[in-house]
Amino acid sequence: AQSVAQPEDQVNVAEGNPLTVKCTYSVSGNPYLFWYVQYPNRGLQFLLKYITGDNLVKGSYGFEAEFNKSQTSFHLKKPSALVSDSALYFCAVRDEGDSWGKLQFGAGTQVVVTP
Amino acid sequence: DAMVIQNPRYQVTQFGKPVTLSCSQTLNHNVMYWYQQKSSQAPKLLFHYYDKDFNNEADTPDNFQSRRPNTSFCFLDIRSPGLGDAAMYLCATSRTRQGALNTEAFFGQGTRLTVV
Repeated sequence: AQSVAQPEDQVNVAEGNPLTVKCTYSVSGNPYLFWYVQYPNRGLQFLLKYITGDNLVKGSYGFEAEFNKSQTSFHLKKPSALVSDSALYFCAVRDEGDSWGKLQFGAGTQVVVTP
Repeated sequence: DAMVIQNPRYQVTQFGKPVTLSCSQTLNHNVMYWYQQKSSQAPKLLFHYYDKDFNNEADTPDNFQSRRPNTSFCFLDIRSPGLGDAAMYLCATSRTRQGALNTEAFFGQGTRLTVV
């Protein structure tokens, strides 16, 4: 069974500074990795995904993520954070061996960007 | 344009009174999911459909049931809501079960359920 770990409950960063949100995963087959963002009282919005190919994936709103197979990590990054990036971020994984394509979510990381 | 639509956005129900949450999609996706999310925790999968094939997660309480009358609509029925069922309920869709595991899931805005 697949699993995802987000080791930080909250990340605090000043506006303009780099932002990193950490994610590690465990799967039995090849991973399909996703990042979602959630604003208060909203559904989840898709940011980016890794399927295969380049380890650096670019997504929406200036976010990118780096896939590292040896470290089983998929950290989300943004070079210069904005106050509007303050939200709850979820990493998710699908295992290619799971015929139902079930998404397994991490516990989430609250990002707080201060002016 | 909204692609996964959940109604209502906010629902207040009485303890023990049956309640139904609805979800519709314009994406023509095969798979529809229902998640329960409590106070900024990870969404927890309750069940999902691939077309009309229903899959219930092992730890989903019997109090929760679902219906999918056609591709576009899916309902979550809570037969006797308890205080512990207060949560955000998220509906999501994705394209196919296999062969498209690389596609992302699309989420609705959620329904915030309050039990009084």
